Amino acid sequence: QSGLTQPPSASGTPGRRVTISCSGSTSNIGSNTVNWYRKLPGTAPKLLIYDNNQRPSGVPDRFSGSKSGTSASLAISGLQSEDEADYYCASWEDSLNGYVFGSGTKVTVL
Amino acid sequence: EVQLWESGGGLIQPGGSLRLSCATSGFTFSRYAMTWVRQAPGKGPEWVSAISYSGGHTYYADSVKGRVTVSRDNSKNTVYLQMNRLRAEDTALYYCARSTFPDYIRPLYGMDVWGQGTTVTV
Repeated sequence: QSGLTQPPSASGTPGRRVTISCSGSTSNIGSNTVNWYRKLPGTAPKLLIYDNNQRPSGVPDRFSGSKSGTSASLAISGLQSEDEADYYCASWEDSLNGYVFGSGTKVTVL
Repeated sequence: EVQLWESGGGLIQPGGSLRLSCATSGFTFSRYAMTWVRQAPGKGPEWVSAISYSGGHTYYADSVKGRVTVSRDNSKNTVYLQMNRLRAEDTALYYCARSTFPDYIRPLYGMDVWGQGTTVTV
């Protein structure tokens, strides 16, 4: 059972913006940085955002992250068909002394 | 090029043991914490274990604590996951992954390089 809660689904039309929320607590998001991953079937997770709002090299600036208190969000602007995937937030959980993934959000491009 | 490749998965009876290996190349292995993540069929990723760059600190998910041991051999650029007393719920694709930044004992900033995974079926 994940300590990070995400909406199960989100959708948008091509070119629009979609935002995914991630709700945690003081022992995870409230105390540590948030990372975001994209997961496509049959492939390994891909890091999209680290340290709340930083993009690794090669990740388009259409992807942006933010954090406030015990919540975080991922925004995808200029939505493209290839953005259809499952997205997961993640953070270190102090109470477990371990890393936790969110429950995941499936993004659909309409 | 940074590469990770896992091996050691397979079909195993409940109660059995497996040792997964993750060989690496293309970076200074001894400076990076390493992580194991698994994904069961139809489910999201689940963090399993992590080990600091020196091997002096190890971390485990509650679901595997006491049954799993993570270790590394910095001379061989390889990280291992010894899995004992395997259960049906351990069935998953197991990935190893590198921490985004060197010189941190925990993967606070996530994992930026992943292998393709090795399948464990119990």
